[in-house]
Amino acid sequence: AQSVTQPDIHITVSEGASLELRCNYSYGATPYLFWYVQSPGQGLQLLLKYFSGDTLVQGIKGFEAEFKRSQSSFNLRKPSVHWSDAAEYFCAVANHNFNKFYFGSGTKLNVKP
Amino acid sequence: DAGVTQSPTHLIKTRGQQVTLRCSPKSGHDTVSWYQQALGQGPQFIFQYYEEEERQRGNFPDRFSGHQFPNYSSELNVNALLLGDSALYLCASETNTELNTEAFFGQGTRLTVV
Repeated sequence: AQSVTQPDIHITVSEGASLELRCNYSYGATPYLFWYVQSPGQGLQLLLKYFSGDTLVQGIKGFEAEFKRSQSSFNLRKPSVHWSDAAEYFCAVANHNFNKFYFGSGTKLNVKP
Repeated sequence: DAGVTQSPTHLIKTRGQQVTLRCSPKSGHDTVSWYQQALGQGPQFIFQYYEEEERQRGNFPDRFSGHQFPNYSSELNVNALLLGDSALYLCASETNTELNTEAFFGQGTRLTVV
């Protein structure tokens, strides 16, 4: 069965520091992988996605993620965090019919000044 | 180009009542999915509509039903509301005619059951 695990519920980093949010997935084939961000009271905004090809994916707002098949991981990274990055981040996997997403439980990011 | 729009933004209902939530997909999108996001959780797939029919369904009871109209807009209906139905309900739209497309999410409807 498909599933997504985000092991870190809360993460706090200082502004300007680097960031890595972890995501592990379980899927029977090569997955379609996504990272979404959700600000308080808002819907989900797509940061980046991986379907195939280059395993290092660049997204919006300076985010990137790397697909590692051997580790079943799709970790999100940013070299220098800004205060406006404080939000909740969700990793998701979709089946190949693109019918539905399986979301992780989210990682809430706090940014210290 | 309007994105995905949902209405209402907030709603308070009493246990046992029925509720209808609405979603207008992004222009050019013909497929609508509904998700329930409980507080502190990731969104959970409820069902998806395409060509006015339910195409896939998640693990939700029959109290949750939906509809898609010829203009691709969609409704989510929940009957006999329970306190546990309190959540943010998200609508996502996508196009079924292209490969490797992305789904766009609305801002959601915050339902509170008291």
